Amino acid sequence: EIVMTQSPATLSVSPGERATLSCRASQSVSSNLAWYQQKPGQAPSLLIYAASTRATGIPARFSGSGSGTDFTLTISSLQSEDFAVYYCQQYNKWPLCTFGPGTKVDSK
Amino acid sequence: EVQLVQSGAEVKKPGESLKISCKGSGYSFASYWIGWVRQMPGKGLEWMGIIYPGDSDTRYSPSFQGQVTISADKSISTAYLQWSSLKASDTAMYYCARLSTGGWGDYWGQGTLVTVSS
Repeated sequence: EIVMTQSPATLSVSPGERATLSCRASQSVSSNLAWYQQKPGQAPSLLIYAASTRATGIPARFSGSGSGTDFTLTISSLQSEDFAVYYCQQYNKWPLCTFGPGTKVDSK
Repeated sequence: EVQLVQSGAEVKKPGESLKISCKGSGYSFASYWIGWVRQMPGKGLEWMGIIYPGDSDTRYSPSFQGQVTISADKSISTAYLQWSSLKASDTAMYYCARLSTGGWGDYWGQGTLVTVSS
């Protein structure tokens, strides 16, 4: 099983600041990585797939990068609605997909 | 508009059986895999398994194999997750998601909260 790790566990950011979230896979997943956002009391929603492709309707302030084992989600200028938990998910070993433990982005 | 609508919250006792549902609309339900994801209270997302409604091909994550059963009825565009004997540790929110051709969840249901308590 591919194990996904995310860092940091919690990221405290002020609105307008840049947020950088990391995701690492225990073995290469190529570019088969997605990012999801989950706000309290809501279902997860897709942000990024194929490591760097924004899903429909996702603002340009969200960007993804990386391949192989190391990936980054960047929020260029954090808005108040971006405070949430962010999960990465590998689907390289589909159907045995796995999620990372999540990074909580909260207000500094 | 693609939508996945899940059945309502359930409160059950240990040992009881349960079947929750996920109804798709706005797309060809039979042509996309549906995945089920567990989220225990205050915890992260766990991949449980997937089903292709077109032919009911089903795959389970090793952690959930034998613990749950995933099924689908394409005639009514509905996927199911069921337990034959619930445990307190099954208490969680369960989400269904439509899987894109690549494998990521592009549309998600609103979740079904399952509470198992004596």
